[in-house]
Amino acid sequence: EVQLVESGGGLVQPGGSLRLSCAASAFTFSTCAMTWVRQAPGKGLEWVSTISGSGGEIYYSGSVKGRFTISRDNSKNTLYLQMNSLRAEDTAIYYCAKDRYSYITLGLDYWGQGILVTVSS
Amino acid sequence: QSALTQPASLSVSPGQSITISCTGTSSDIGAFDYVSWFQQHPGTAPKLIIYDVSRRPSGVSYRFSGSKSGNTASLTISGLQAEDEADYYCSSYSSSVLGGVFGTGTKVTVL
Repeated sequence: EVQLVESGGGLVQPGGSLRLSCAASAFTFSTCAMTWVRQAPGKGLEWVSTISGSGGEIYYSGSVKGRFTISRDNSKNTLYLQMNSLRAEDTAIYYCAKDRYSYITLGLDYWGQGILVTVSS
Repeated sequence: QSALTQPASLSVSPGQSITISCTGTSSDIGAFDYVSWFQQHPGTAPKLIIYDVSRRPSGVSYRFSGSKSGNTASLTISGLQAEDEADYYCSSYSSSVLGGVFGTGTKVTVL
């Protein structure tokens, strides 16, 4: 069964950094684009970033570009999100999700359970 | 970055059908057949119910169907059941943001 398990969340002060990880299993990781999606408390879904299966194509939302870095290690079946210069408005549940294709389509057929990131002093 | 536009809420009686609209632009829905729909129950991760405008993943009920006309995509749920009460989101690739965009979300209530 496909599994995506996020880790690395928690409480951080404004201006601080966190690195999220997403461990994937039971599918050919390198053939699937991977995406981070976040959801602020009581709000809707927000696309954050996508990386293609090979890692050669990367996309960011305007709200995180220049502060967040997505990456993947296909030898370890793991997706990462390095988050720097965190702001209060980055507070959200962060989900990693698998695309049905090797390139970005947002056909996200499997999702992790989500991990909470809280930015507060 | 503008979200796709969905109605905030819809209410329907059990057994009836509803259609949720998702309005975008010629840079997203109108340009690509990468429209997806997700169902989210409170406290849980979203679930993919439609991808590539009208395709259903394995295991998703035939009562869910998707379509697109111009810059607007639609999700139709037929024979509403209590378990269909949830939030629904559309998504698309967007060439204007060079990435993804989600809809504003629709809360469906089964009366």
